[in-house]
Amino acid sequence: AQKITQTQPGMFVQEKEAVTLDCTYDTSDQSYGLFWYKQPSSGEMIFLIYQGSYDEQNATEGRYSLNFQKARKSANLVISASQLGDSAMYFCAMAGTYKYIFGTGTRLKVLA
Amino acid sequence: KAGVTQTPRYLIKTRGQQVTLSCSPISGHRSVSWYQQTPGQGLQFLFEYFSETQRNKGNFPGRFSGRQFSNSRSEMNVSTLELGDSALYLCASSRGRGWGETQYFGPGTRLLVL
Repeated sequence: AQKITQTQPGMFVQEKEAVTLDCTYDTSDQSYGLFWYKQPSSGEMIFLIYQGSYDEQNATEGRYSLNFQKARKSANLVISASQLGDSAMYFCAMAGTYKYIFGTGTRLKVLA
Repeated sequence: KAGVTQTPRYLIKTRGQQVTLSCSPISGHRSVSWYQQTPGQGLQFLFEYFSETQRNKGNFPGRFSGRQFSNSRSEMNVSTLELGDSALYLCASSRGRGWGETQYFGPGTRLLVL
């Protein structure tokens, strides 16, 4: 069975510092995608970054990078230079064929 | 390019009623997925439609149903509403070509059942 685990219910980070949000996954599929989404209090899920299971390089999108360690089945999100607007819920997700599963999320609070 | 749109944004219903939610995907996207998000259960997958066919389904009772039209717009229906159906319902679209595709979400419909 597929599973996504986010063990940090809440995190605090000082503005301008970097923060790592943890995500581990379990799947028997060879082909899958890993994603991170941000959900502000408004409710909309905003796509941040994607990593394919066959990608050898870690994905980066601006201040976001995904630390992909396939052997350990982890896909941690690193946010560099945190901003106040980064305060939100963050969800890790895995996509196999036609189906997504989501973790329980991490609530990040950026402190001024 | 316009994003995923959902209507209505907010709904208040009473127990026993039924409700229909609508989702318009990004132009060119043929897959639409629906999710229910509650504080207690998190994000749960309801179903996915591609080319007017339900391609995948989560573990929800038959009161939850959906359909997709030829223009890829999708509707979700919940009959005989229960208090526990109060949730944020999110719709997401993708091209639907297969595994590992990025899904793009709409703003959601907040449903309150009284």
